[in-house]
Amino acid sequence: DGGITQSPKYLFRKEGQNVTLSCEQNLNHDAMYWYRQDPGQGLRLIYYSQIVNDFQKGDIAEGYSVSREKKESFPLTVTSAQKNPTAFYLCASISSSLTTNEKLFFGSGTQLSVL
Amino acid sequence: GQSLEQPSEVTAVEGAIVQINCTYQTSGFYGLSWYQQHDGGAPTFLSYNGLDGLEEKGRFSSFLSRSKGYSYLLLKELQMKDSASYLCAVRGSTLGRLYFGRGTQLTVWP
Repeated sequence: DGGITQSPKYLFRKEGQNVTLSCEQNLNHDAMYWYRQDPGQGLRLIYYSQIVNDFQKGDIAEGYSVSREKKESFPLTVTSAQKNPTAFYLCASISSSLTTNEKLFFGSGTQLSVL
Repeated sequence: GQSLEQPSEVTAVEGAIVQINCTYQTSGFYGLSWYQQHDGGAPTFLSYNGLDGLEEKGRFSSFLSRSKGYSYLLLKELQMKDSASYLCAVRGSTLGRLYFGRGTQLTVWP
């Protein structure tokens, strides 16, 4: 079955540590996204990539980094510069960001907490 | 900039009809979508409106008025499993991006 796989489901970060959240899709989608969700805040865009080897900052990119070396993979690193990383992180993909009625497919999310 | 407003919560009883509103202001507009998200789960796509009017999909319908910057999601014959958060999302001036509202928590009572 095609879909998006995020791992791990739960992740704990120690102060000063960088952690990487994995996102893999086998839907052959061009565009991939990382969102952060805090209680009562909705989804906020961290980074997005419309094509391999290219990505753009979203609204809250500070303290995060990404790479897009393969079409299937879009890992997110939460760096020590992100002072409030506790949140639910969602990865999503879409077959073409240029088609207006395309729907986003989401992974099951990673809950990141600070120790 | 982009802004989307939704009520934070709505309650209804099983079998009833409920309407969830979304108002938006965006610098461009390429359509509005609705997503459903159960607690701790991933959002799943419900509907898309690119033009004014009503789109019906079984028990769910979605309406759009571009001139008013307004959409609503209508859920009929409510079931307990419909208890979830409902998110509206707009494609704004940058075609590759979706902007989400904060979500409306729907609670269905027996």
